[in-house]
Amino acid sequence: NAGVMQNPRHLVRRRGQEARLRCSPMKGHSHVYWYRQLPEEGLKFMVYLQKENIIDESGMPKERFSAEFPKEGPSILRIQQVVRGDSAAYFCASSPDGGQAFFGQGTRLTVV
Amino acid sequence: AQSVTQPDIHITVSEGASLELRCNYSYGATPYLFWYVQSPGQGLQLLLKYFSGDTLVQGIKGFEAEFKRSQSSFNLRKPSVHWSDAAEYFCAVGARTGNQFYFGTGTSLTVIP
Repeated sequence: NAGVMQNPRHLVRRRGQEARLRCSPMKGHSHVYWYRQLPEEGLKFMVYLQKENIIDESGMPKERFSAEFPKEGPSILRIQQVVRGDSAAYFCASSPDGGQAFFGQGTRLTVV
Repeated sequence: AQSVTQPDIHITVSEGASLELRCNYSYGATPYLFWYVQSPGQGLQLLLKYFSGDTLVQGIKGFEAEFKRSQSSFNLRKPSVHWSDAAEYFCAVGARTGNQFYFGTGTSLTVIP
């Protein structure tokens, strides 16, 4: 059973472009979480999804950020019109039941 | 409000010495507690977790943690640190199901020979 797979591992975008981060949960896991880690900081919750549903998006910025977890395929975190402040490591975690979470290796986004 | 506090931003210990990393939490329901370790440029690996039962839990790599409800603490310990333990350690709290996990800001561990 492969772990949580995130791609790309590193992503460079110019200001104003779109960033799409993908997360394939572990097999059998229907709960997905996205977290953002800024330099020298802990992980900040962004959004919690189950298949085709957003359960909690209280940590998502109101603009430019969106997330989905379709019935088929990976979960996608989308950032439109990126700015330098979006540069961070974005971690995805999955869980079979909303309890213990297994984390991916993260996507490191750099906005230039 | 839900929160996790890791009071020590950075700790330096000698190889072979004992280690204790502090974690205090504030959570409105029955807490489920976790310790994760993150090596540079890597994801988070679960060291151990506490859901219920025995308040002293054993984890991987020789780590253990003790849940103290009266002190709202879940401190991580290791009797003898190895150089490979140098990493960032995160404490987290969550509900059993269906809720986000709250993370502390982390403690960076340096191990000196």
